[in-house]
Amino acid sequence: EIVLTQSPGTLSLSPGERATLSCRASQSVSSSYLAWYQQKPGQAPRLLIYGASSRATGIPDRFSGSGSGTDFTLTISRLEPEDFAVYYCQQYGSSPGLTFGGGTKVEIK
Amino acid sequence: QVQLVQSGAEVKKPGASVKVSCKVSGYTLTELSMHWVRQAPGKGLEWMGGFDPEDGETIYAQKFQGRVTMTEDTSTDTAYMELSSLRSEDTAVYYCATVLGGAVDYWGQGTLVTVSS
Repeated sequence: EIVLTQSPGTLSLSPGERATLSCRASQSVSSSYLAWYQQKPGQAPRLLIYGASSRATGIPDRFSGSGSGTDFTLTISRLEPEDFAVYYCQQYGSSPGLTFGGGTKVEIK
Repeated sequence: QVQLVQSGAEVKKPGASVKVSCKVSGYTLTELSMHWVRQAPGKGLEWMGGFDPEDGETIYAQKFQGRVTMTEDTSTDTAYMELSSLRSEDTAVYYCATVLGGAVDYWGQGTLVTVSS
């Protein structure tokens, strides 16, 4: 079973700063099947990035994804007030179907 | 545009079962790969199982095998998730979600299931 480890657990930043979130897999993941989500309190998650680097519909270009193999990164180039939330990475494969990372909380410094 | 509307909150006693529904609109259920994900209070996302279009079968996370059943009623475009032998650790928000190309593209609004004596 693939385990996804996200770091840091919490990221304290100010609006306008750059956020770099890491997702490390216990074994190689197909880039086609690595996604990132944003979740705000009381809401369902929202798809940001799929295929490791493709933005979902309506996602601003300040969000970007990169990486391959076991190391993936979500970058928010300039934090807007609405970007403070929890972010999850997720992989899709045969064993099991979906796996989520533990999440990174981006909070206002 | 897919819309997923789930049934309302439930309170159950330990040992009981719960069945959550997810009504699909905008597409038919047969066009979608439906999965279920849960989130305990203050915790992360946990995949429970879903339809694998490559195999044409529903697959379950090992943790829930034997305790969860996912079904679909294509006549009403409604998916169901039933979890049995409930315990306090099953208190969570349960989401139905559609998977396309390995990512969850649509989510239901969530159903809170509380297990308490």
